[in-house]
Amino acid sequence: QSVLTQPPSLSGAPGQRVTISCTGSSSNIGAGYDVHWYHQLPGAAPKLLIYANTDRPSGVSDRFSGSRSGTSASLAITGLQAEDESSYYCQSYDNILSAWVFGGGTRLTVI
Amino acid sequence: EVQLVESGGGLVKPGGSLRLSCAASGFTFSAYTLNWVRQPPGKGLEWVSSVSSSSSYVYYADSVKGRFTISRDDADNSLHLQMNSLRVEDTAVYYCARGGRVIGASKWFDPWGRGTLVTVSS
Repeated sequence: QSVLTQPPSLSGAPGQRVTISCTGSSSNIGAGYDVHWYHQLPGAAPKLLIYANTDRPSGVSDRFSGSRSGTSASLAITGLQAEDESSYYCQSYDNILSAWVFGGGTRLTVI
Repeated sequence: EVQLVESGGGLVKPGGSLRLSCAASGFTFSAYTLNWVRQPPGKGLEWVSSVSSSSSYVYYADSVKGRFTISRDDADNSLHLQMNSLRVEDTAVYYCARGGRVIGASKWFDPWGRGTLVTVSS
């Protein structure tokens, strides 16, 4: 059971907008710790997608955006493309566990 | 280009030991915090351990505390993870990942190496 909760799977059609949620608690996201997002293709290493809740690293498409509110965060993907089919993970810090924590991951399918 | 390359994974029996290494290049190694994150086959990501610049601070997940030791060698730009008393549940791909210049709670991991597989099985 992950400390940060994500839907295990999501699907969307090309061109659609999808949102992946990341629900935490008062000891992590709700405590004000930043949320970061990664994507991971099968057999590959994770790659940073969004950092500090809303910022995109250089080279990441502006179709990806992040937000944080209360004890939750979200990753939105607009104009869905086949290449967006991947697993997505949120990450933050938990001050009860004194650990950096990840969500369980969301597998996005482009149908 | 920033690069992280892990090595040292393999098959080990329960109770055994293994030492992972991560060779870094393309950035000022000594200035950054460094981390190990693992991923059991078919499962999600789990933070394992972090070391600050100058090795001033080290942190471990409860699941590995007392069994794993993280260390860094700034002279040859390498990160290590000594893993003792290995358990079946330690089976995972172990990734080396760079953190920020300060080991703050709100840090992120970027970039990541390709990982090295550790299999603990009798």
